[in-house]
Order: sequence, then C-alpha cells, then structure tokens
Amino acid sequence: GAVVSQHPSRVICKSGTSVKIECRSLDFQATTMFWYRQFPKQSLMLMATSNEGSKATYEQGVEKDKFLINHASLTLSTLTVTSAHPEDSSFYICSARPRTGGLDTQYFGPGTRLTVL
Amino acid sequence: GENVEQHPSTLSVQEGDSAVIKCTYSDSASNYFPWYKQELGKGPQLIIDIRSNVGEKKDQRIAVTLNKTAKHFSLHITETQPEDSAVYFCAAHSGNTPLVFGKGTRLSVIA
Repeated sequence: GAVVSQHPSRVICKSGTSVKIECRSLDFQATTMFWYRQFPKQSLMLMATSNEGSKATYEQGVEKDKFLINHASLTLSTLTVTSAHPEDSSFYICSARPRTGGLDTQYFGPGTRLTVL
Repeated sequence: GENVEQHPSTLSVQEGDSAVIKCTYSDSASNYFPWYKQELGKGPQLIIDIRSNVGEKKDQRIAVTLNKTAKHFSLHITETQPEDSAVYFCAAHSGNTPLVFGKGTRLSVIA
C-alpha cells in the first residue's frame, strides 16, 4: 500500500517549452501533496505544498508563475514547468500525505528527471 | 523554523560492520522523525521512523534512537550489506508543516 507514482520518469525538452509532470497516489487519497526539487548530490528542496481544491503554497524563491501546480483531485497533482530553461534541469520528486492518519506521514514518488537542452 | 543537521556527509564501512548516522534538530515542538533511503535515480523510501513519545525503535538490522532533551536522533544499521549503499536522509516534522530534511549521508558498504 501507500504507492505514489510519477509520470514521466524522464523527460528531455528544448529550451522554451513547457513540461507537465504528474503525481498520483495509487491506493490512497491525498489531501496534501508536496513538490521537491533535487540537484545532484544535494538534499530535497521543497518547492510547494498543494492541497486538493485550493491554490498551492510556494516556498520563498520559487516562482509560482513558472512552476504551475494543480491539485484537482485527491489522487492527482500536476507540476508544469513553463518556458523551461537549462537551469531548470533537475530531479523533481513529489510526495503525498494520506487523507487518513497522522499529519506527519509522507510517501514519495520515484521522481522525474528533467533535462532541458 | 526547524533546522536539521546531519552528519557525516559520507560514510564508508566494511561489509558486516555497523553504520551510524546522526541528526540534530532545533525545534523542540518537532515530534516525528523519519529516515529515508534514496538509491541513485530513485525517490526516497521510508525505512524507519520514530515519534517523540518513544526513545528507540528497531526493525531487523535498522534501529533509530531519539534523545528529546538533546534534540538529536540517530540511525543505526547493523551487519551492513552492499545493498545498504545509498544516500540516507533524516527529517523532522511538527504540526502541519512540511518535513524538513537533513543534507543526506552517502553510505558506501565495501564488500
């Protein structure tokens, strides 16, 4: 149980294009999903927190107009990187907090490797 | 806000030996402390966690200890195996806030 999937696992795009990454909780409902970015050999950096049916809360320094987050249902959140540039190349990881249970549990997806040429 | 420090950043041990990774946290209100293992190119996987009402928790070769007074917690891996090689992250959580992660420890188990 408690499986989180991400799609795609890898994506290569040209500079200036937009890329959408999906995060799904497969066997539970998630009221809250988190999006992280991880650069090589570094820790996870929280980008934003999204609650189902409401606007995402972005961390300081993260451009909300560049990283569009939609949490339309209790099992799906999407991150769209708009007008991607090479510096956006990174490993993007989502996590989901179950609707039931404690406020502390988070299950992570397998990550999406984005390469912007 | 919460700040989590993790040491060491890299750790090499011989197969069969034990490995210990230590973390400290700053917010005394933190009450949940998970440990994640991340293999290359994959997302973090929860391997063990502990809550503030418990001082120690064990799951086969993995154990975690928590000292609330000193605000530190540690991961202990016994009888290490090559497949234990990965990056390990500690984290701390309080209330309805997101997890705060340490910077990670790259563990290498040498056969």
